[in-house]
Amino acid sequence: AAGVIQSPRHLIKEKRETATLKCYPIPRHDTVYWYQQGPGQDPQFLISFYEKMQSDKGSIPDRFSAQQFSDYHSELNMSSLELGDSALYFCASSLEGGGQYFGPGTRLTVT
Amino acid sequence: DAKTTQPPSMDCAEGRAANLPCNHSTISGNEYVYWYRQIHSQGPQYIIHGLKNNETNEMASLIITEDRKSSTLILPHATLRDTAVYYCIVRVSPSASKIIFGSGTRLSIRP
Repeated sequence: AAGVIQSPRHLIKEKRETATLKCYPIPRHDTVYWYQQGPGQDPQFLISFYEKMQSDKGSIPDRFSAQQFSDYHSELNMSSLELGDSALYFCASSLEGGGQYFGPGTRLTVT
Repeated sequence: DAKTTQPPSMDCAEGRAANLPCNHSTISGNEYVYWYRQIHSQGPQYIIHGLKNNETNEMASLIITEDRKSSTLILPHATLRDTAVYYCIVRVSPSASKIIFGSGTRLSIRP
């Protein structure tokens, strides 16, 4: 079965640079979520979109923005990167009424 | 969302049933119990969810007490690949809402 696709899988950036992470949900799933997991931490919710509209917002820095496009894929844009942004970034998708299915994650390293 | 309490770690012999407990004494009537797991550095994996009735799927069984204040996830025949952190999460509805991950239970399977 098709799963959530995230790209790139690994990304290395320098401080103050920008990064764009992409997420392709499972076909027919209408909701996308973004989570951040720092080293040794549990995943933390950042933001979600339902039918291309922002549905919820967590502890997402103002330097980050995200959107969901007409084909339901989503992008997380991160600017002015800081060392503390180094983490695993997971995207998940769901169809209303069901569980969230997570992608393999993007490992972002900021140097 | 209701708070959950899980033991920080457990171990189980390979081939035996692994029973992971979760307390959610403040659960509300419209809150579901979800279980996810995360194998090291992989995306969290949805396992099962339920409202009040016991549930079973190809991965596990979920037993919810009659008062709904606690539940048990059962992996009937644990394998080494079941070694992971298991998260018990209570959410208002199954639809588009974020997951708040707690500390979870680190399950180790002994050969």
